[in-house]
Amino acid sequence: DVVMTQTPPSLSVAIGQSVSISCKSSQSLVASDKNTYLNWLLQSPGRSPKRLIYQVSKLDSGVPDRFSGSGSEKDFTLKISRVEAEDLGVYYCLQGTHLPYTFGAGTKLELK
Amino acid sequence: EVQLVESGGGLVQPGRSLKLSCVASGFTFNNYWMTWIRQAPGKGLEWVASITNTGGSTYYPDSVKGRFTISRDNAKSTLHLQMNSLRSEDTATYYCTRGRFVYWGQGTLVTVSS
Repeated sequence: DVVMTQTPPSLSVAIGQSVSISCKSSQSLVASDKNTYLNWLLQSPGRSPKRLIYQVSKLDSGVPDRFSGSGSEKDFTLKISRVEAEDLGVYYCLQGTHLPYTFGAGTKLELK
Repeated sequence: EVQLVESGGGLVQPGRSLKLSCVASGFTFNNYWMTWIRQAPGKGLEWVASITNTGGSTYYPDSVKGRFTISRDNAKSTLHLQMNSLRSEDTATYYCTRGRFVYWGQGTLVTVSS
């Protein structure tokens, strides 16, 4: 199984600050169709998860461009510029290239 | 508007069975793979099962293989998860998701306890 190592486990930030979350996979996430199925999800408190980014860097509809994703092969990063209160919650990376699909352990973004 | 509404959760004894359902609306159900994902209380997310758009192929992690069965009724736009031989570690909120995880339901809580 692909192990997704996500760091840090938590982040304490001030509104307006920028943050980055790392996700490293134990094997390449490049699929046979040449796409890389690395997703970033946000679970706000008491809510279902919501996908923010797919295929490493593509933003889902309605996601502010303060969010950006980058990386390749086995090393990926989610960056949030100018954090807002609505961004707080737990972020997960999810690989959809190899079965079984696997998640990172999550990064809890909290207010400082 | 895409909607996924799960149901069927509840309290069940270890070793017993439970069947979850997810009714989909707002999109052409038979065009999409569907997936169940679960989250134990206070824990992270775990992939449970996926099914192709026709229902011809299904996929499971080892943790549930042989005990859980994912199925779909495309005529009724409904996804199911039959869970047998339930264990305490199956206690979780179960989410139904569409395609590559872009839409999620509100979840249904399954508690396995005597």
